[in-house]
Amino acid sequence: TQLLEQSPQFLSIQEGENLTVYCNSSSVFSSLQWYRQEPGEGPVLLVTVVTGGEVKKLKRLTFQFGDARKDSSLHITAAQPGDTGLYLCAGRNNDMRFGAGTRLTVKP
Amino acid sequence: KAGVTQTPRYLIKTRGQQVTLSCSPISGHRSVSWYQQTPGQGLQFLFEYFSETQRNKGNFPGRFSGRQFSNSRSEMNVSTLELGDSALYLCASSFSSGGRYEQYFGPGTRLTVT
Repeated sequence: TQLLEQSPQFLSIQEGENLTVYCNSSSVFSSLQWYRQEPGEGPVLLVTVVTGGEVKKLKRLTFQFGDARKDSSLHITAAQPGDTGLYLCAGRNNDMRFGAGTRLTVKP
Repeated sequence: KAGVTQTPRYLIKTRGQQVTLSCSPISGHRSVSWYQQTPGQGLQFLFEYFSETQRNKGNFPGRFSGRQFSNSRSEMNVSTLELGDSALYLCASSFSSGGRYEQYFGPGTRLTVT
């Protein structure tokens, strides 16, 4: 059983569409991170959120940490093919626990 | 700053053998963590080292071990390899400041056990 549940598992959209992926848990985390991973490579850190209700923007990506610090969302505006990849969330307490990821495909 | 480096990038071993993987963290990072990634189980935490001491350990058998050197470089060892040990092994170095913990991954070592 995953400590962090990510949804949807798979998402295939057309270039220019908007999307939101979710990361949910019953546990409270001191911080939460989002990563993007491409095949055969290590995950690349996108953002770290630490405060309940925190919203961070990274160009077309918007990250939100839930008020209770148990969940998070990632919203991508006007998706591009370069956004294709596996999006992972990870919660930190004593160690890091990862969700199973959302595999996003953006078709040109 | 150079990123996290891992060697080797690819490795093929046979069942019963042992393997040692190496990781050099980002300069100044004193914490190194290891993860196993497989299609079925996703990313699973193996262990974390800080200043040469194991700080946390995941739920893996004793065949998986690690260590960290005084220069923060780390190695992990898997003895008596099994087919199920085939995976991408990822090393991450991290720092913590003001409550913010950030972790950066290397490219991984792809281990295939035949």
